[in-house]
Amino acid sequence: DAGVIQSPRHEVTEMGQEVTLRCKPISGHDYLFWYRQTMMRGLELLIYFNNNVPIDDSGMPEDRFSAKMPNASFSTLKIQPSEPRDSAVYFCASRDQGLNTEAFFGQGTRLTVV
Amino acid sequence: AQTVTQSQPEMSVQEAETVTLSCTYDTSENNYYLFWYKQPPSRQMILVIRQEAYKQQNATENRFSVNFQKAAKSFSLKISDSQLGDTAMYFCAFMKLEGAQKLVFGQGTRLTINP
Repeated sequence: DAGVIQSPRHEVTEMGQEVTLRCKPISGHDYLFWYRQTMMRGLELLIYFNNNVPIDDSGMPEDRFSAKMPNASFSTLKIQPSEPRDSAVYFCASRDQGLNTEAFFGQGTRLTVV
Repeated sequence: AQTVTQSQPEMSVQEAETVTLSCTYDTSENNYYLFWYKQPPSRQMILVIRQEAYKQQNATENRFSVNFQKAAKSFSLKISDSQLGDTAMYFCAFMKLEGAQKLVFGQGTRLTINP
């Protein structure tokens, strides 16, 4: 398996624009997580899915953020409208349902909102 | 809610030395996992080692070992014979086994190995 695949690797956009980040989890994994990493706040969990169903979105900062998982092999994180304070690295991770399993991370998307 | 604290924002040692990174956590759970992840400059998050809370024996992976003190809620990482490639951010993480199986991370420790 190619691992967790995120796209794009880098995104630069203007304030007010819509941004969509994409993630393809490892095939067969039941859990999918979206994290945001900043210098000030470290790694924050935004939302996670289990079997394509959102379980906990309490980490989503505002209504401007939304996430979907239409099927087991694809998820999106959308920011609309984007703001400069959204600039961060966004990670997607997936793991298997089994207890003794690690979470595998994608390479992350570095988002810069100017 | 669970919290994870890494009290050392930065550390620096010479190559071949041994270094210990600290991590403490707060939880009322009895069954959980603890992890150390490494994030090199490439940004990739890589699992270094994991520890099941029900196991008394400390986990070891080659040059990496942990000191797990359940009563003290402490989970330190020891890197022996450190190498230049160990230079990275290191994150301690907690995951409970019942209910929400999500990883909660500490703030990270930036480790630099000097030649």
